[in-house]
Amino acid sequence: DAGITQSPRHKVTETGTPVTLRCHQTENHRYMYWYRQDPGHGLRLIHYSYGVKDTDKGEVSDGYSVSRSKTEDFLLTLESATSSQTSVYFCAIKKREPRDTQYFGPGTRLTVL
Amino acid sequence: AQSVAQPEDQVNVAEGNPLTVKCTYSVSGNPYLFWYVQYPNRGLQFLLKYITGDNLVKGSYGFEAEFNKSQTSFHLKKPSALVSDSALYFCAVRDSSTDKLIFGTGTRLQVFP
Repeated sequence: DAGITQSPRHKVTETGTPVTLRCHQTENHRYMYWYRQDPGHGLRLIHYSYGVKDTDKGEVSDGYSVSRSKTEDFLLTLESATSSQTSVYFCAIKKREPRDTQYFGPGTRLTVL
Repeated sequence: AQSVAQPEDQVNVAEGNPLTVKCTYSVSGNPYLFWYVQYPNRGLQFLLKYITGDNLVKGSYGFEAEFNKSQTSFHLKKPSALVSDSALYFCAVRDSSTDKLIFGTGTRLQVFP
């Protein structure tokens, strides 16, 4: 258990609406990540954070934004959801030990109709 | 570009038989390699990693992985499969230039009683 929770766990929304997913950690780790999982693609990095207010883009960042105002919370926002953003979203943290290992939250299943 | 490949979408094995899930990689420099497992409707769980040292790495749940530099492979193995090992397995490599993880597309392991 890496002390990571994600909310909501499931969400159905309509095209064009804004959506915010929350990742919360309890162990004060510096690095946090957002991935999406799609069949045939494995996990792809959306955005990551290396500290409060420090974020950077990943492989598939278009259409997504993130914010990190506190160490424990990393928010992923879809400004205007599209059907192509239907996916399972995972948050991860990176622990120092074992070295450079990422641990994942339980995921959020998002459906955009 | 650094990458990882899992050439098999699915591996079927009978309970009690040895199992192998294949992974090959392409990186510049020394590779950091990881295996994760995902059970249905769950997040990814860390199994094991290779950074340096012995080519045979032991991990959780009786799994091990063999690092082969000449073949650029990091195959996951278990001497005797259990039905409960049935899950989706992901290989990942750390991109040394960005410090990000690059995931394979996943291999579904099905263990039959």
